[in-house]
Amino acid sequence: DTGVSQDPRHKITKRGQNVTFRCDPISEHNRLYWYRQTLGQGPEFLTYFQNEAQLEKSRLLSDRFSAERPKGSFSTLEIQRTEQGDSAMYLCASSPGISSYEQYFGPGTRLTVT
Amino acid sequence: DQQVKQNSPSLSVQEGRISILNCDYTNSMFDYFLWYKKYPAEGPTFLISISSIKDKNEDGRFTVFLNKSAKHLSLHIVPSQPGDSAVYFCAASIRSGSARQLTFGSGTQLTVLP
Repeated sequence: DTGVSQDPRHKITKRGQNVTFRCDPISEHNRLYWYRQTLGQGPEFLTYFQNEAQLEKSRLLSDRFSAERPKGSFSTLEIQRTEQGDSAMYLCASSPGISSYEQYFGPGTRLTVT
Repeated sequence: DQQVKQNSPSLSVQEGRISILNCDYTNSMFDYFLWYKKYPAEGPTFLISISSIKDKNEDGRFTVFLNKSAKHLSLHIVPSQPGDSAVYFCAASIRSGSARQLTFGSGTQLTVLP
């Protein structure tokens, strides 16, 4: 296993369009996190899955954002009616379990909304 | 309210010398601290961590020191190498429900000069 993968790596879209990103975590990691990073800032927590259950969501996650992890493996993050303020790097991380503090990040998807 | 702060946006060090990166936090409920390294166009890579019950953790050239009374931690890299040039993020972990959210600082760009 080569680590967390994300697809696409880059996405340019026009304001108002919908976009969907995919994250494949490290095999057998049951915990999956989404973060957003804007220029000059560290990553900010968006949401968390334990297996297929979405257990926590940040206030940053407006109702235009939805995330799923249907079979407890890969996850998708969808943004509807994109706005220019959504332009950011979207990072996915996975972690093996409750006793593990470390999270392992993917390369991210850079979204540009024009 | 920035709970994790990295007050130095950049640091330049000569190859072979020590690099010291600093981080301050405000939330006394944080119980685990991590350092991540990030190269351009890649996701953050886990580097080293420390539990709040310890005051030092060492791994090769990297040592993290924690001063709980001052709510301060630092990462020491010695000797520094040109390949260490990257953005370093300090992160703090807190148990929130079943999740372990990471709260990141804004990062310090380390440049190691040959």
